[in-house]
Amino acid sequence: EAQLVQSGAEVKKPGESLKISCQASGHSFTNYWIGWVRQRPGKGLEWMGIIYPTDSETRYSPSFQGQVIISADKSTTTAFLQWTSLKASDTAMYYCARPLRAARPYDAFSIWGPGTLVTVSS
Amino acid sequence: DIVMTQSPDSLAVSLGERATINCKSSHSVLFGSNNKHYIAWYQQRSGQPPKLLIYWASVRASGVPDRFSGSGSGTDFTLTISSLQAEDVAVYYCQQYYDTPSVTFGQGTKVEI
Repeated sequence: EAQLVQSGAEVKKPGESLKISCQASGHSFTNYWIGWVRQRPGKGLEWMGIIYPTDSETRYSPSFQGQVIISADKSTTTAFLQWTSLKASDTAMYYCARPLRAARPYDAFSIWGPGTLVTVSS
Repeated sequence: DIVMTQSPDSLAVSLGERATINCKSSHSVLFGSNNKHYIAWYQQRSGQPPKLLIYWASVRASGVPDRFSGSGSGTDFTLTISSLQAEDVAVYYCQQYYDTPSVTFGQGTKVEI
């Protein structure tokens, strides 16, 4: 059974860096894109970007381009979401998710991780 | 970006009754080469990640009860729960995956009993 396991909750100060992870299992990691979705407290879902672990091709929503870095490590079947300088407005739950179909970056997300809560506060 | 507008923002439905959620896209999400509408619906229960219910506007995802159905075309889409169960209390989101990379979600509709 395909599943995504995310790293634990983080509490950081503004200006700090952070890298959260999403480990995939139960499916061919290099055949599926892995995406990230933000959900601020009490708010809706925002599609951030997506990566193809085979060659690390990455596509970002214009709203998140330059704000975060998405990467992947094939050897550990893990995708990452990274910030170099966090802001209070980055406080949110971050979900990784896998599209329904292999090799399709733009597709419904059929597999979701449990989420990583990131809190940025001074 | 394609703006997805859901209505209503919330609704209360009695157990066993029908719930209808609407989603309007600001532009067509019909892909001409395959004649598919790039619309998905998700259910998010409190404290849980979203769960895929419907894709291609009307195809039920694996394991989703048949009381959930999706319909629509052009820019207007609907998620219907034919007979509301207690476990259906959740927030429901529509999503367009046509306008890439600006994939967008609706603002969500809260369904209560």
